[in-house]
Amino acid sequence: EAGVAQSPRYKIIEKRQSVAFWCNPISGHATLYWYQQILGQGPKLLIQFQNNGVVDDSQLPKDRFSAERLKGVDSTLKIQPAKLEDSAVYLCASRPNLLNEQFFGPGTRLTVL
Amino acid sequence: DAKTTQPTSMDCAEGRAANLPCNHSTISGNEYVYWYRQIHSQGPQYIIHGLKNNETNEMASLIITEDRKSSTLILPHATLRDTAVYYCIVLLAFNKFYFGSGTKLNVKP
Repeated sequence: EAGVAQSPRYKIIEKRQSVAFWCNPISGHATLYWYQQILGQGPKLLIQFQNNGVVDDSQLPKDRFSAERLKGVDSTLKIQPAKLEDSAVYLCASRPNLLNEQFFGPGTRLTVL
Repeated sequence: DAKTTQPTSMDCAEGRAANLPCNHSTISGNEYVYWYRQIHSQGPQYIIHGLKNNETNEMASLIITEDRKSSTLILPHATLRDTAVYYCIVLLAFNKFYFGSGTKLNVKP
């Protein structure tokens, strides 16, 4: 079974630039999550999708972050414009249903200069 | 906000059992306890989860106290590859996973 795929693995941008991350969850997984993990901290949930609908985006900085999951499969997370404090690893996870564990992708490491 | 408390770091000798504690004193009756670990530069990896009873799988055992206010993850024979950050997570309402800072387990030869 293929795991959660994310791209790119690494991204370096300058502040005020835009960036987008892509996630392909495990086939058939209805729930998809995006997390932000700052160095030395645990992952922080940004947004949760159930199929193509948003379940929770209370921790998403909506003035600069946006996410979508068209057709309930792949998802993209965008930051526009980026700030220095957005430097982090962005993790995508998926879950077959709300009774099972989450499966995480390898993450995208973002560096904002 | 995380609702678990874990030690910042622990050491364990290779081949010995690693016992990682977690306090979750505010857990409610229908909340599960999950354990994940994160090896350097990788995404978190699921280990085990439980509600009330002790659980065991091929990776670890989970011991939950009778009052459910704390739990212990046991790696029976730690190896160097078990060096990682271990997260104890309480599954809250609407299925939010809150990760704290975790415990950095150092397995030493």
